Amino acid sequence: DGGITQSPKYLFRKEGQNVTLSCEQNLNHDAMYWYRQDPGQGLRLIYYSQIVNDFQKGDIAEGYSVSREKKESFPLTVTSAQKNPTAFYLCASSFGTPNGYTFGSGTRLTVV
Amino acid sequence: GENVEQHPSTLSVQEGDSAVIKCTYSDSASNYFPWYKQELGKGPQLIIDIRSNVGEKKDQRIAVTLNKTAKHFSLHITETQPEDSAVYFCAASMNSGYSTLTFGKGTMLLVSP
Repeated sequence: DGGITQSPKYLFRKEGQNVTLSCEQNLNHDAMYWYRQDPGQGLRLIYYSQIVNDFQKGDIAEGYSVSREKKESFPLTVTSAQKNPTAFYLCASSFGTPNGYTFGSGTRLTVV
Repeated sequence: GENVEQHPSTLSVQEGDSAVIKCTYSDSASNYFPWYKQELGKGPQLIIDIRSNVGEKKDQRIAVTLNKTAKHFSLHITETQPEDSAVYFCAASMNSGYSTLTFGKGTMLLVSP
């Protein structure tokens, strides 16, 4: 079955650490996205990529980094520069724009 | 950039009643409007979408209406069931190379048996 997989489901980060969230899709989608979800804030765009080896900053890119070396993969690194990283992170993909996104099941990141 | 406002933030109905969630958008160039349902601890799922060349679209118990002049669109759920309880998000997007979906802040729908 085609789909989009995020891992891990839960992640704990110590102060000062970088952590990487995985996102893999086998839908042959060109575009991939990372959103952050906080209670009452909706979904806010962190980074997105329309093609391999190219990506753009979203509304809240500070403290995050991404890479797009393969069409299927779009990992997100939460760096120590992100001061408030505790949130639910959602990865999505689509056949370009404007089309609906397919979302993964999310990664809940907690700073300990 | 685009701004999407969504109301209400919470909505409680009795099973069998109808529920309506409304969204407004700011950019008249937006032409694609999807709705997502998110259950607790899961990612959002696309439930219905509408493009600007259409005024209304239905899929069984759910329907979406679009008023381009007023720049607002609405989700209508009829004969609500307890399993409809979830958070619903509206979104808007333009048809351009690097456009992305801008989401509303969500509506928590509670359907009581």
